[in-house]
This record gives sequence, structure tokens and C-alpha cells, in this order.
Amino acid sequence: DQQVKQNSPSLSVQEGRISILNCDYTNSMFDYFLWYKKYPAEGPTFLISISSIKDKNEDGRFTVFLNKSAKHLSLHIVPSQPGDSAVYFCAASAGAGGTSYGKLTFGQGTILTVHP
Amino acid sequence: DTGVSQDPRHKITKRGQNVTFRCDPISEHNRLYWYRQTLGQGPEFLTYFQNEAQLEKSRLLSDRFSAERPKGSFSTLEIQRTEQGDSAMYLCASSYRPGTGAQFFGPGTRLTVL
Repeated sequence: DQQVKQNSPSLSVQEGRISILNCDYTNSMFDYFLWYKKYPAEGPTFLISISSIKDKNEDGRFTVFLNKSAKHLSLHIVPSQPGDSAVYFCAASAGAGGTSYGKLTFGQGTILTVHP
Repeated sequence: DTGVSQDPRHKITKRGQNVTFRCDPISEHNRLYWYRQTLGQGPEFLTYFQNEAQLEKSRLLSDRFSAERPKGSFSTLEIQRTEQGDSAMYLCASSYRPGTGAQFFGPGTRLTVL
């Protein structure tokens, strides 16, 4: 039972353009969402998060959008840089008062490649 | 700023042997989590601690797996009688309340069971 799904295994983008990574979830109890980036042979690195009381959160080049009615979130990277090439995971948490303090449920990941 | 550290980074063992991994969280973090990641999948939750108390265990954590966090500092994850299906990356993360801070991950321990 995959409660968090990233349906695109890979995405290829030109440097300077926008990268849009998508994530869908099924569990309506999820109230906190995060995006992580992972390079080979390293642990996931936290990028940005959003609570279910918001629909948008920005941090520099990264913006996360949350559509609760559609149970969908997306990560926008603008402008994309070659160093952004990595695997991106979305994750969700439930029952921790709108924090990531509880266990995380991850999607399968999307491989982003940014071409110079 | 010292992040989450894990030891060893790589472990190769023969089927049936016992292995133990260690995780040192960020010093002020009171919650510590263990996840397992296999190829092509996202990390899967195994268990987590608040201080020294183990609060939740996934059904993925069979009887051969045991985790401890004595004194609420570092944690160990032991796998007894390893099987080839245990081959995976074992990830540790830590977090701190209050606030909505994220879980911060260590580099992981890559386990290969021959």
C-alpha cells in the first residue's frame, strides 16, 4: 500500500529552466510534508517542508505547493542548476501535530537531471 | 555543526551472522529514527526513540531486529541471523521538538549479506 507516490521516475531539464517534481498521497491524516534530495552514497538532505495549514512555502530557489483537496504536492526549482541533479523524495507525516516529529512515509523518488 | 553520524559506512557479512550498526544523532536532538532503503525505493520507517524510550516499531522490524538507545544518546541497530533480504541501506535520522524542524539524516550504513 503505497501511501505516497511519485509517479515520474525521472525528469530531465535544461539549466536555467524550471524543474517541477510531483507527489501524490492517499492518507488524509498526513498533515506535514517534506522534500529531500539525495546524492549517491549519502543520506537524504532536507530541502523544504510545508504544513497542511499552508498551500505554499518558499525558500530561495525552492517552492513547495500543497493542494489538499487533490492530495497533491509539487516542488518547483527555479532556476535549475546542474548541481541540483540528484534523486528527490517527498515524504509525509501524520499525527504529530503538523510537524515531522513522527515517522515519515516516503515516495519512491524522482531522478532529476539538469543539463548544462 | 556536527551532523548525524553512522558507523560503519559499509558492512559485508555472510548469511546467518549477526551485525550491529551505530548511530550518533545531533547532540541536542531527542528523537532518533531508523529507516531502511532498498534500491529504487524511498526510505521505509523501522523504529524511533524519544530519549531512551522506543515509541514505535514497524511491522517490517522482525524478531531478528533489535534497536536500543541507552541513556538517550547514541543508538544501535542489531540484526541477528542475517538473511540476503536484509541487504539494504540503513539510515538513521534525528530531530528536535519544539518547532516543525525536519528529520536530519546520517550518511547510512550499506549492508550486503552474501
